[in-house]
Amino acid sequence: QSVLTQPPSVSAAPGQKVTISCSGSSSNIGSNYVSWYQQLPGTAPKLLIYENEKRPSGIPDRFSGSKSGTSATLGITGLQTGDEADYYCGTWDSSLSAVFGGGTKLTVL
Amino acid sequence: QLQLQESGPGLVKASETLSLTCTVSGGSISSSSYYWGWIRQPPGKGLEWIGSIYYSGSTSYNPSLKSRVTISADTSKNQFSLQLSSVTAADTAVFHCVRHPGYCSKGICSYNWFDPWGQGTLVTVSS
Repeated sequence: QSVLTQPPSVSAAPGQKVTISCSGSSSNIGSNYVSWYQQLPGTAPKLLIYENEKRPSGIPDRFSGSKSGTSATLGITGLQTGDEADYYCGTWDSSLSAVFGGGTKLTVL
Repeated sequence: QLQLQESGPGLVKASETLSLTCTVSGGSISSSSYYWGWIRQPPGKGLEWIGSIYYSGSTSYNPSLKSRVTISADTSKNQFSLQLSSVTAADTAVFHCVRHPGYCSKGICSYNWFDPWGQGTLVTVSS
């Protein structure tokens, strides 16, 4: 049981937009920065978004992040087949631990 | 470009101690700007932060694993290591080493994002 809640799966057609939600509480998302990771099949997670909405160098602006209260959202526009992956949200919790969501599998139909 | 590479036995017997090492290249673990940590992922499951170490040697651990975890660093080799004792089948996972910043206020630091990640190494606990 993950501390942060994500939908198990989302899907959309190529070229379309998709959003992935991440729900937490005041002890984690509500009081800390949120990050997002992309894990392509058989590879290590890769940082997509940090500090709620910032993109590391090299991450295209098709990927965006936002946070409101105790929830965060990852948006992906202009979907490509290469975006098919598992996506995880993460943050810090007042229990003194980094915590993650259970992951969302994105399917590009 | 900073790279992290995990190494260690891929098979550990139940009740024994799992030991892994992360070798860092393209950067120094002695940097005061970052922390160095371990995150694991059981097959087909999500991510779990294990713990982290700062260049000063200070450590922080996931409360759920704290009694079994030790993270140490060897700055002369630019490596840091993980030991997880009394392992069971539930500890079978891919273990990743990571770098991350710390957001510190009034002596408490939070770790909000991790980058980069090592490719990971699968450790299987056998009975």
